[in-house]
Amino acid sequence: EDQVTQSPEALRLQEGESSSLNCSYTVSGLRGLFWYRQDPGKGPEFLFTLYSAGEEKEKERLKATLTKKESFLHITAPKPEDSATYLCAVQAWRTQGGSEKLVFGKGTKLTVNP
Amino acid sequence: NAGVMQNPRHLVRRRGQEARLRCSPVKGHSHVYWYRQLPEEGLKFMVYLQKENIIDESGMPKERFSAEFPKEGPSILRIQQVVRGDSAAYFCASSPLESGGYTFGSGTRLTVV
Repeated sequence: EDQVTQSPEALRLQEGESSSLNCSYTVSGLRGLFWYRQDPGKGPEFLFTLYSAGEEKEKERLKATLTKKESFLHITAPKPEDSATYLCAVQAWRTQGGSEKLVFGKGTKLTVNP
Repeated sequence: NAGVMQNPRHLVRRRGQEARLRCSPVKGHSHVYWYRQLPEEGLKFMVYLQKENIIDESGMPKERFSAEFPKEGPSILRIQQVVRGDSAAYFCASSPLESGGYTFGSGTRLTVV
């Protein structure tokens, strides 16, 4: 069974204090690994897709990296507006009778204090 | 372009009533997914539909839950005879292809009293 574990569950940073969020996964055959941001009362907002080990993607203060067992979301010099829950999800190649649904972790709740 | 539209945003039902949740995908997207988010839990897959077809319903409870995506109109997630344990946020997502990042709606928050 495909599984995603995110750590830490919660993270408090001071504005400007860089850090990383971890996403460990086990999957039968990785088609893609996804990062989403979710604000309270809203739906997840797509950030990145990573497809193969060694791949990196960047967007503003965020950078996502991927290895064969885990992904990191690096946050450089965060601002209070980066406060949100960050979700990691994996998509496996289709198995007979199944679909390429996303399997999500429980998320990391990030709080950035001014 | 409008994103994924879900309505209602909030829905309160008494135990035993029916709940109908609606989802209009992004224009041009033919793949619709429903996910449920319980408090302190991650998003859990429920069902994947294309127009007029259920492709994968492996995450749907066997009883009381059904979903459709008709040729015309929104996708509907229907919960019959709701119980307190059905209280959750229900999210719909759509995509133009079977793989790739989805676009999620803002969700319907169902409260069963």
